[in-house]
Amino acid sequence: DTAVSQTPKYLVTQMGNDKSIKCEQNLGHDTMYWYKQDSKKFLKIMFSYNNKELIINETVPNRFSPKSPDKAHLNLHINSLELGDSAVYFCASSQESRHYGYTFGSGTRLTVV
Amino acid sequence: SQQGEEDPQALSIQEGENATMNCSYKTSINNLQWYRQNSGRGLVHLILIRSNEREKHSGRLRVTLDTSKKSSSLLITASRAADTASYFCATGLTGGGNKLTFGTGTQLKVEL
Repeated sequence: DTAVSQTPKYLVTQMGNDKSIKCEQNLGHDTMYWYKQDSKKFLKIMFSYNNKELIINETVPNRFSPKSPDKAHLNLHINSLELGDSAVYFCASSQESRHYGYTFGSGTRLTVV
Repeated sequence: SQQGEEDPQALSIQEGENATMNCSYKTSINNLQWYRQNSGRGLVHLILIRSNEREKHSGRLRVTLDTSKKSSSLLITASRAADTASYFCATGLTGGGNKLTFGTGTQLKVEL
């Protein structure tokens, strides 16, 4: 009964390809996030959705497009992958009104070759 | 821009000793949180302290917050080998839509 689940766990792909990462949460939270963790473990927010509405969109290339079909799902599609996109991508969820902290997924390690 | 800076970057101690990690931040915050990340895993929420609180305890964890100095510390008492992980502070900003900005992390190694 994983609270926040991401698929796939590992993704190895060639430059120029398009790929998607899926995220689902079963906690009933209303807010979901995508974070990118680089090789130095620096975590940076990319996007946040509250009840399917985009509320945070940091400076991220247009090649990254989030989609939230419902408040339990937040997917990340990446076009024209580049070497610099290699990182670990984490999905997280929270209940915005409560500020109880995030629940993170286990991450997707993306390697672009 | 990076909100939190943590020190030390790496800490190595013996089992049974206490471990202290510090976090400094730059702007006014609504709350500050600490997370643990085991190697190759996701982050796990440890504790949240609100801006009007000064100290909080949870088991072997003790967190302090000094908003005048814009700093926080995480103390792990009687450390165990299983505490080996990276520890991150994260700040929640007032009106930030529950966005958390993470610090640079402290890598803790607890040796037997």
